[in-house]
Amino acid sequence: NAGVTQTPKFQVLKTGQSMTLQCAQDMNHEYMSWYRQDPGMGLRLIHYSVGAGITDQGEVPNGYNVSRSTTEDFPLRLLSAAPSQTSVYFCASRISSSGNTIYFGEGSWLTVV
Amino acid sequence: DQQVKQNSPSLSVQEGRISILNCDYTNSMFDYFLWYKKYPAEGPTFLISISSIKDKNEDGRFTVFLNKSAKHLSLHIVPSQPGDSAVYFCAASGMGGGSNYKLTFGKGTLLTVNP
Repeated sequence: NAGVTQTPKFQVLKTGQSMTLQCAQDMNHEYMSWYRQDPGMGLRLIHYSVGAGITDQGEVPNGYNVSRSTTEDFPLRLLSAAPSQTSVYFCASRISSSGNTIYFGEGSWLTVV
Repeated sequence: DQQVKQNSPSLSVQEGRISILNCDYTNSMFDYFLWYKKYPAEGPTFLISISSIKDKNEDGRFTVFLNKSAKHLSLHIVPSQPGDSAVYFCAASGMGGGSNYKLTFGKGTLLTVNP
């Protein structure tokens, strides 16, 4: 059981480039989300999905796009990378009916230069 | 406006002593609270949680206390061990609808347990 898997682990982008952070879970969880962690800011919710075909914005959605075509996958797209998007990104998932405990991936370290 | 506050960025304790990490919240609609632990270069891992219908939940060395009237919760670790050294995040979620799916996190407290 792999849990929540994120790729890539590390990425360096140039300003203006686009890229996709991949997230997959093999636990048949309905709810998936993306957070970013910045120094002194804790974890902030970017986008979330309560099931295939359904997505919604979190606290800091600007500059990011998501889709949920399958239960397993929830990719996060950076449309035109900016230095302000340099951060550590965490994907998370949970079963919607089992309480509020969510499980995180190991993180993706993104640097935009 | 920060709805979940961890006012101590760091805490240092001696091995074997008690660690107390504090968290305050402002949103009265929060009814479920969680603590996550995070080691460097790893994702946060769930530690312990408490529902608003309780005032205490215990799991081994870890106990979470909730004071709803003060909108305050705390995590007690007894006895503290060097392996407990990590960043601890307090998180909260609200009742019903979309808000039930969203966790609001504090900024975290770095705990260092000295041998």
